[in-house]
This record gives sequence, structure tokens and C-alpha cells, in this order.
Amino acid sequence: QLVLTQSPSASASLGASVKLTCTLSSGHSSYAIAWHQQQPEKGPRYLMKLNSDGSHSKGDGIPDRFSGSSSGAERYLTISSLQSEDEADYYCQTWGTGDVVFGGGTKLTVL
Amino acid sequence: QLQLQESGPGLVKPSETLSLTCTVSGGSISSSSYYWGWIRQPPGKGLEWIGSIYYSGSTYYNPSLKSRVTISVDTSKNQFSLKLSSVTAADTAVYYCARDPQGWVDYWGQGTLVTVSS
Repeated sequence: QLVLTQSPSASASLGASVKLTCTLSSGHSSYAIAWHQQQPEKGPRYLMKLNSDGSHSKGDGIPDRFSGSSSGAERYLTISSLQSEDEADYYCQTWGTGDVVFGGGTKLTVL
Repeated sequence: QLQLQESGPGLVKPSETLSLTCTVSGGSISSSSYYWGWIRQPPGKGLEWIGSIYYSGSTYYNPSLKSRVTISVDTSKNQFSLKLSSVTAADTAVYYCARDPQGWVDYWGQGTLVTVSS
């Protein structure tokens, strides 16, 4: 079964960097994912599509501070030079034959 | 700049059918590169994919909702629509329409809250 696992919460200080993790279920380590950001009281925003080899393609206007990487079944979103507006929920998403799955989301707090 | 805008009733009675339409502007819904999808988010919870449609009418649905969902497309109006039948309070959510390049979402609508209540 295709499942994505995310830690419920993360925190980091203003100006620092943070690395969020999304883990693919067993047997799905070659799958690409997408990362989305949802700021408080707003709709989601597409950040990037991230492939298993770490290559990624970002959405329109996404700052260079956002980057992605991969290792095995893990997919990462790194945000550098954290700003207050980065405080948000971050969701990963993947897809299989006729199925689309979201992770449970990680709530990022900027201290 | 591609824009997607959801429209439809904000209140639906239990057991009735929820109907929403998404209007696409700044791009053609008939593009061969994309599906067009619906995702929902219950208050305070995470995202749930509902289903997607290609301009030709080909669809794929979340297996857990498939028996109640119909997604259709109107290329002449650059719109696609969602119908969810036999709704209950558990269907109360913000409903988003989105562009789907075959699996993931790369553009989101702003979302519309639909409440199921008598």
C-alpha cells in the first residue's frame, strides 16, 4: 500500500535552516513526490516535484531558499534562511497507478 | 498566469448531492499535458485526493470515494465539475480544484468551504 509518513511537527529559529522528511512506504522507494506549503488560513501552494535521484522542479516564484533532496525512501525539503512566513504546514504527495496519496503534513514553527 | 476558481453552494443537506464547478482561466483545460482534479480538507485535518479528469473525459477516483463521486468536464466553458452524492457531516470540508500533470498538483484553486448540515 502506497503511504507517505511525515513527522507531525518541527521547529527552527528565524534565519536558520530546517530539513523536513517524507518517507515512502516499503516497495515504493523509487517514487517521485511533490511538496506543498499551506500557510495559516490559506490554501496550499505547490513548491516542487522531487524525483528519487534528488532532481527537482519548482513551482512559479518559489525562492531558492527552498530545495529538495532524496535518499532511498526518504524525500527531504530543506528551507534555509527561515523567515516568519515559512511558518506553515508542509505536505508531501505521491501517486501510483490510479491513486494519489498525501502525507499527514508537518507543522513548522519558526521560533 | 493560470488561475482556478471553485464555485457552488456552501451548504448542503445530509443525504443530498454536493455539486461544485471549477473555472480555469489563463490556460486551456484541453491541454494534452494535464489532468484536472479535486482535493478536499476537513476542518483542522489533512488533504484528501478525490479524483481527476482528462479533457477527453477519462477519470480516476479515490477508491474510498469512488462509489459516490462523479467528475465531469466541459471544454467549451473551460470548466470541470464535482458531484458527491449521499453526503454526511463527514463530507464537510474545504474543497480545492487543481491542475494535475498526471499524479501531482502544480496549481491549486483558493478553495471553497462546503458544510453539510440540515
